[in-house]
Amino acid sequence: DAKTTQPPSMDCAEGRAANLPCNHSTISGNEYVYWYRQIHSQGPQYIIHGLKNNETNEMASLIITEDRKSSTLILPHATLRDTAVYYCIVRPLTSGTYKYIFGTGTRLKVLA
Amino acid sequence: ETGVTQSPTHLIKTRGQQVTLRCSSQSGHNTVSWYQQALGQGPQFIFQYYREEENGRGNFPPRFSGLQFPNYSSELNVNALELDDSALYLCASSLGTSGSYNEQFFGPGTRLTVL
Repeated sequence: DAKTTQPPSMDCAEGRAANLPCNHSTISGNEYVYWYRQIHSQGPQYIIHGLKNNETNEMASLIITEDRKSSTLILPHATLRDTAVYYCIVRPLTSGTYKYIFGTGTRLKVLA
Repeated sequence: ETGVTQSPTHLIKTRGQQVTLRCSSQSGHNTVSWYQQALGQGPQFIFQYYREEENGRGNFPPRFSGLQFPNYSSELNVNALELDDSALYLCASSLGTSGSYNEQFFGPGTRLTVL
């Protein structure tokens, strides 16, 4: 079972910030949080990942709460091309196996 | 630098047949994972190969098998196809070492339809 819970869907106006929440209350101290998105049945696209500090790259910002039980992905200026399913993943450590356990994600719709 | 590529893009098979899907990893990546994504669901982990050996497997039966070659390309083989095997099959590569948190890069997937 996925270790994360996300709202099934969200809408965001074009040009505004999209804030996508994720709950991972059972996260372990050495597990990272990853975010991917999937546009219309293409392969998932890596966005960002982090451990406990906030992270920012050219695509997005990741805010992780101090207790690490939840995080928020921020797309600062959403465009129509950001319409996609966004997955929050906590990577479990299993003898070095790199498996991701995906949930059902959040379907973000950016509105013109 | 080329990304992860998969072939074929679409495939139609009938129940009971066998299928082989192929994946070329991103340059320099030595770990490949395969995922199955049913319609409307998130991808489900099938198995992973690191340096030509399977080093992790999800909850899939033995009729799902794989190979990784010395150039780190990979195959997913599915025997005795069932209707429920209809899905998007995704390959993901990464640079893997023990304890590494390097991200996985996914290919575009192969859409398999079993009739």
